[in-house]
Amino acid sequence: QKEVEQDPGPLSVPEGAIVSLNCTYSNSAFQYFMWYRQYSRKGPELLMYTYSSGNKEDGRFTAQVDKSSKYISLFIRDSQPSDSATYLCAMSAGGDDKIIFGKGTRLHILP
Amino acid sequence: SAVISQKPSRDICQRGTSLTIQCQVDSQVTMMFWYRQQPGQSLTLIATANQGSEATYESGFVIDKFPISRPNLTFSTLTVSNMSPEDSSIYLCSVTRGDYGYTFGSGTRLTVV
Repeated sequence: QKEVEQDPGPLSVPEGAIVSLNCTYSNSAFQYFMWYRQYSRKGPELLMYTYSSGNKEDGRFTAQVDKSSKYISLFIRDSQPSDSATYLCAMSAGGDDKIIFGKGTRLHILP
Repeated sequence: SAVISQKPSRDICQRGTSLTIQCQVDSQVTMMFWYRQQPGQSLTLIATANQGSEATYESGFVIDKFPISRPNLTFSTLTVSNMSPEDSSIYLCSVTRGDYGYTFGSGTRLTVV
């Protein structure tokens, strides 16, 4: 079993819909959970990060972590065509531990 | 957070040759990281570059193939040596942010023919 599993998509949704992106993981030591957004021909940019379990909201984006299920989610409300990108989950145990990335989910928001 | 300039943005190289990728950061950082992103794959850490010491390589990556320099706190280079088509990938440098996570450069898209 890979440390981090992420459905590569592509995921196509109409503009204005709520998008749900998910990752599962196997390492119970992970404490820091991140979502990166990567546009074509660009490097990943950090979208959100959370520590341990719970929810975090930033504008149209909500990150959820369920450590008991080893499952993290990113919700995008009122999705826009500009949200079309690849979304990568990432996680780490913290300290000097390296960050492990998912493969990324390609998201298309249809106008 | 830091701004990273990475050069070249893309290149097409002949097999057997080497390519050096440059990473310039607009502020001093202790650690710089080099990642590879192959099509359909997650980002894979190649090595961590610390100023004043040898880079620390991850399992599966060796210094002879991916020599790294870190001459000061704002600059690093990664060389991909004796290239083969299997080295075709996107190479990214990154630095830690002030809060958590990494800031990435725009990447170098390498095609080996």
